[in-house]
Amino acid sequence: DAGVIQSPRHEVTEMGQEVTLRCKPISGHNSLFWYRQTMMRGLELLIYFNNNVPIDDSGMPEDRFSAKMPNASFSTLKIQPSEPRDSAVYFCASTKNYGYTFGSGTRLTVV
Amino acid sequence: AQKVTQAQTEISVVEKEDVTLDCVYETRDTTYYLFWYKQPPSGELVFPIRRNSFDEQNEISGRYSWNFQKSTSSFNFTITASQVVDSAVYFCALSELDNFNKFYFGSGTKLNVKP
Repeated sequence: DAGVIQSPRHEVTEMGQEVTLRCKPISGHNSLFWYRQTMMRGLELLIYFNNNVPIDDSGMPEDRFSAKMPNASFSTLKIQPSEPRDSAVYFCASTKNYGYTFGSGTRLTVV
Repeated sequence: AQKVTQAQTEISVVEKEDVTLDCVYETRDTTYYLFWYKQPPSGELVFPIRRNSFDEQNEISGRYSWNFQKSTSSFNFTITASQVVDSAVYFCALSELDNFNKFYFGSGTKLNVKP
């Protein structure tokens, strides 16, 4: 089992640019979660999907953020346009019954 | 409302000391799971080092032990004879069984184990 795979591991972009983070959940897991981790706020749940359907996106900070899950094996988190305050580590996690398995995270730096 | 509180922001101990990380939770659910996640300096979030259903009691696994007290809504984590490799940020988390396994994380406790 390859685990939850996130790409890229690191992303540095200029303010105003579009950023797309990608996640491949563990095969057979039916729930997928996007988290953001910062020093100030800790781990924040942004959005989660169940069976590819967005269930709760109340954690998405602004309309600049959007997430999709076109199929059971792929999800994206897009920020457009990006801002310096979006700099954080973004984690994707998947689960089937209980206990998340997290990806390695994407460290985003917006300059 | 569901909430997980880790009052200890950072703890420093000397190797071989015992250390307890506190976790207090709030939930209206009668069925739920509690977890401790470890985030080493590498930044990755390690799969839960313990899960506990609402009706389990204490558990010991090597140097690690977990004390679940439903009466006080606490789920504390103790490391006995700490080691430098235990240095990490530890997150306590609450999972609702009836809400697609949505997790609520505490703010984390940074543990520094000095040689």
